[in-house]
Amino acid sequence: EPEVTQTPSHQVTQMGQEVILRCVPISNHLYFYWYRQILGQKVEFLVSFYNNEISEKSEIFDDQFSVERPDGSNFTLKIRSTKLEDSAMYFCASNRGLDGELFFGEGSRLTVL
Amino acid sequence: AQSVTQLDSQVPVFEEAPVELRCNYSSSVSVYLFWYVQYPNQGLQLLLKYLSGSTLVKGINGFEAEFNKSQTSFHLRKPSVHISDTAEYFCAVSDQNTDKLIFGTGTRLQVFP
Repeated sequence: EPEVTQTPSHQVTQMGQEVILRCVPISNHLYFYWYRQILGQKVEFLVSFYNNEISEKSEIFDDQFSVERPDGSNFTLKIRSTKLEDSAMYFCASNRGLDGELFFGEGSRLTVL
Repeated sequence: AQSVTQLDSQVPVFEEAPVELRCNYSSSVSVYLFWYVQYPNQGLQLLLKYLSGSTLVKGINGFEAEFNKSQTSFHLRKPSVHISDTAEYFCAVSDQNTDKLIFGTGTRLQVFP
C-alpha cells in the first residue's frame, strides 16, 4: 500500500541553524501539507500546497518557514533559522483531492537546542 | 471558522469494557469528519471518516462513530476495548470549501488489564 515517507525521523540542531525536512507524498496525490505537533499538544496546521504554490498557511507559518516541491516526488519544509519553540514533531500529509482524507507520514521529530 | 472540541483529555478504561470518546465541532458549512489514532511514537492513522450518507460510520479495529448534525457531534465508540487500543485519538474536521484538517486536542485512551 502506498504511503507517505518522511526523512529524517529525528533531527537535533542548534538554535539559529537551518533545517530541511523532507517528504515523499503518495505519487498520484495532488495536495500536500505540513502539520506540527508540539509535545503533548494538538496537531496544528502549518501550510497546504497545490499546483506548485501555497494554497493556505497558518499564523505559525511565518517568514522563517518555506516549502518547496523541487522535483516530481519530494516536498520539503525549510526552517531558515530555528528557534527553541520550533521543537516539535512535523508531519507531512498528502491528499488525492477527492474527499478531504489526508494520508500522514510517520513524522520528523525536530529538537532545537 | 471551524473548531473541534474533545472534552476528555484522558479516558481510562478496563479491557473488554465499552468506551466512548467525545467530539464536538463547530462550522457554518457542511463538513467532513475524521477520527485519527496515534500509537506511541508513531504517525497518524485514519480510523474512520464521515463524508455523507449514513450517519453511522464503521472504521478499522472495531471502532465506529455517529454523526449527529443537530448536536454537532461525532463521538467515537467501541463496544469492547483491548490493551492494544491504548493510544491518542484525534477528532478532525474539514469543510467542503477548503482542503485542510482542523484537529481537536486529542483524547488519550488508556486501557488497563
